[in-house]
Parts: sequence; C-alpha cells; structure tokens
Amino acid sequence: GDSVTQMEGPVTLSEEAFLTINCTYTATGYPSLFWYVQYPGEGLQLLLKATKADDKGSNKGFEATYRKETTSFHLEKGSVQVSDSAVYFCALNTGGFKTIFGAGTRLFVKA
Amino acid sequence: EPEVTQTPSHQVTQMGQEVILRCVPISNHLYFYWYRQILGQKVEFLVSFYNNEISEKSEIFDDQFSVERPDGSNFTLKIRSTKLEDSAMYFCASSEQAGSNTGELFFGEGSRLTVL
Repeated sequence: GDSVTQMEGPVTLSEEAFLTINCTYTATGYPSLFWYVQYPGEGLQLLLKATKADDKGSNKGFEATYRKETTSFHLEKGSVQVSDSAVYFCALNTGGFKTIFGAGTRLFVKA
Repeated sequence: EPEVTQTPSHQVTQMGQEVILRCVPISNHLYFYWYRQILGQKVEFLVSFYNNEISEKSEIFDDQFSVERPDGSNFTLKIRSTKLEDSAMYFCASSEQAGSNTGELFFGEGSRLTVL
C-alpha cells in the first residue's frame, strides 16, 4: 500500500546551519505531497505542498521539490533558527479522503 | 483565526472502559477526520466523515470505534471498550474539501489517551 518514510530523528543543529530532512514515498497513482510541522503544544499545520512532479513547494524559507524519478520530497532550509525547533511530518494523498503521514522527524536548533 | 479544538487534552482510563474524545472542527469545513499516533510511530489515519456518514475508514477502525456528529459543531470519537494498545495521541482534523488538491488539513492539538 501507499506509505511515507522519513529520516529518524532527532536532528540537532546549530542556528544558521543547513537543514535537510529526507522523505521518500511509495504510492500507486500520482500523489500530492505535503510537509506538516508541529510546534510544541500545538496541532500539526501545513508547511508546504506540491501537487505534481517537479513542483517546488516553499514557505517560511523551507523548500521541497517533488521528485518522481526518486520518489522523494526532501525538506530543506538554508539557515535554521531556534524557532524552527519542531516535529516535521511528510505526507501524501492520492486523491481520496486519506492522507498518509510519516513518523515525523524532531528538529532541535541550538542557539 | 479559526481553529480545531479538542477535549480532553489528556485522559487516563482503565482497560475495558468507554472513552469519548471530542472535537470542534472549523465551522465552515465539511470534512472531518480522526488520526492517531502511538508514541514514536506514524500518524495513522482512522476515519473520515462527510455529510453525516463515514466516507472512508482504515483497518484500525474496527467495531470498537465509532464517530458521531451529534450537533452542528461537535465531532466525537468513541472507543467502546479500551485496550492497552489504544494508548496514543488522537488528532482531530477538518478540511474544506477532500482529495489530493485540497492540500490543507487543519488539526487540533490532540487528545492523549492512556489506557491502564
């Protein structure tokens, strides 16, 4: 069945470091891909999305490119801040009611 | 800004007891969902609800689970007879549309259920 695999955390970085969180997927059909973020004490919220191959989603300095050939949607940010500390979830939807999530990757950013 | 609210934030219950988790979705949304996350594992889809009926459910959502929209604002998840393995964080979500182009699910903060 459809699934999402993302790198295990936690990921610990110093402020201004470059961030990559890997995400790969398995899906029948052509899914839309998402990154959600969960800040401490809050619910998941959409960070960015891409609906077709080669699309780049971006928001708040984060980017991810839909790579059909490698079935990947890696999250990147050029310079992380302490306020980016959160749990990041990669997800996909193939057109039905069900969005499939990965396990989440916890990011700690040190000042 | 409109938000999804969930109660309780944490519930501790004995195995075999019934539990009801409550959610108030965003008022103009039409689609409602429950997800759960067992500690350290994936966020798993349980059920989606539209037009006062279940539109899709996962294999996790067996006869012990039920959902209801008892009035115009609340959306509830009932677990009839809790088991130890039901211990998890339960997330309610809502959306304006469904499917791959809707993009955004709006989540509540979650209800942590601990079954002893």
